[in-house]
Amino acid sequence: GENVEQHPSTLSVQEGDSAVIKCTYSDSASNYFPWYKQELGKGPQLIIDIRSNVGEKKDQRIAVTLNKTAKHFSLHITETQPEDSAVYFCAAIFQGGGADGLTFGKGTHLIIQP
Amino acid sequence: NAGVTQTPKFRVLKTGQSMTLLCAQDMNHEYMYWYRQDPGMGLRLIHYSVGEGTTAKGEVPDGYNVSRLKKQNFLLGLESAAPSQTSVYFCASSSGTVSNQPQHFGDGTRLSIL
Repeated sequence: GENVEQHPSTLSVQEGDSAVIKCTYSDSASNYFPWYKQELGKGPQLIIDIRSNVGEKKDQRIAVTLNKTAKHFSLHITETQPEDSAVYFCAAIFQGGGADGLTFGKGTHLIIQP
Repeated sequence: NAGVTQTPKFRVLKTGQSMTLLCAQDMNHEYMYWYRQDPGMGLRLIHYSVGEGTTAKGEVPDGYNVSRLKKQNFLLGLESAAPSQTSVYFCASSSGTVSNQPQHFGDGTRLSIL
């Protein structure tokens, strides 16, 4: 099955700086890579995703990059703000996976220092 | 617009007791999921359903049962609770498979087994 490794487990950055979270996956057939943000006491919320036919995708201050050869993908947050503080999860789905095909990383606790 | 609603939000059980967690969605989604979230473990899929009357096992199904008698509801049951089932439980729904449609999560049920 798919295995997703996520690093770092905790990341502290100064407000206004950039934050990068990295994930690697094991199944070369994986073709969909979503990122979720989870605020304290809430459920995860999809913030951005990327498919295997694209190398980069941006949405305002958030971007995701994908390196299929190296089997890793990263979340980039620029000009970080206090509201970016949360736990971020990456996930991957293997090709052909149905409803049960999504595997999550263990999460990164992002702390934005004022 | 309620989205995905989980009941109850908190519960404490004694070992051996039984209980049912309720998930309700008002988005007319076909797919529904139950996950558990443990510290340092990310999200792990327990059971899922691809439509009314159907259920299937996920990654960690042992000790749990589910039912999807109505399209909008997905119930998770613990027949004989064990301390290892202490966790935060999240329900999610989507209009299609995880590779085509995003999952919408509830805010979780925090369950403690003493």
